[in-house]
Amino acid sequence: DTEVTQTPKHLVMGMTNKKSLKCEQHMGHRAMYWYKQKAKKPPELMFVYSYEKLSINESVPSRFSPECPNSSLLNLHLHALQPEDSALYLCASSQPDYLTYNEQFFGPGTRLTVL
Amino acid sequence: KQEVTQIPAALSVPEGENLVLNCSFTDSAIYNLQWFRQDPGKGLTSLLLIQSSQREQTSGRLNASLDKSSGRSTLYIAASQPGDSATYLCAGGYAGNMLTFGGGTRLMVKP
Repeated sequence: DTEVTQTPKHLVMGMTNKKSLKCEQHMGHRAMYWYKQKAKKPPELMFVYSYEKLSINESVPSRFSPECPNSSLLNLHLHALQPEDSALYLCASSQPDYLTYNEQFFGPGTRLTVL
Repeated sequence: KQEVTQIPAALSVPEGENLVLNCSFTDSAIYNLQWFRQDPGKGLTSLLLIQSSQREQTSGRLNASLDKSSGRSTLYIAASQPGDSATYLCAGGYAGNMLTFGGGTRLMVKP
C-alpha cells in the first residue's frame, strides 16, 4: 500500500471555528509532513515529524497546531484561522533520513476555505 | 539557500507536439530530482524520480533527464495530448529529506 489518505477533502470554516485535518499512511514511514499550497504557487513546508516528534516548524503561526499521535497518523488542528489561510493542505510521508533524501509520498490534499 | 526555477511559467501547444519543460537548481548537492503533475485543485502525482547517479528516467511518453554538473533537469513529453494539460512541478531532494519545489509550468495542450 503506497497511499497517503487525507480527510476531509474539502473544509469550509469560520474564523472562530476549531477544526482538524487528518492524514494517514500505512507504509511504515516514520516521517510525516504538512505542506500549505496557495493557488498558482508551489507547496510550502509547514511541519515535519520524525519518529513521532516534531523536528521542523517553519515559523508557522500558533493557530496551526500539529499532532502525531502514532506513526501512521498526523493531524493538523486549526483554530482562529484567517481568510488568508485558505489553501490546499498537503500531507506527505517518507522514511526519515538526516543524511540523504528518501522519496516523499503525497496525499490528495484538503481544500480549506476560511470565511 | 537551495533554489529551483522552472521556465517557462506557462506554455500552450497544439495537440501532437513534442515539448520540453525546464528545471534548474542552484545547489548541486542534490540527491534526486522529482517531477510531479498537479491538476487544478488536486494533489501531487509523482511522474518520475531521477536519482543523482542516473542521467534519465522514462515512463511511457515521458522522459526526464538530470545533469547535476549544469544544475538542470528537463521533462520531455512526446506527442502531447489535451489530457496532459496540468501544472508540472519539479522538486530537488536534499539531505534531511528536504524537498525544494520549483514554481511550476502550467501546460495547456489545445485540441
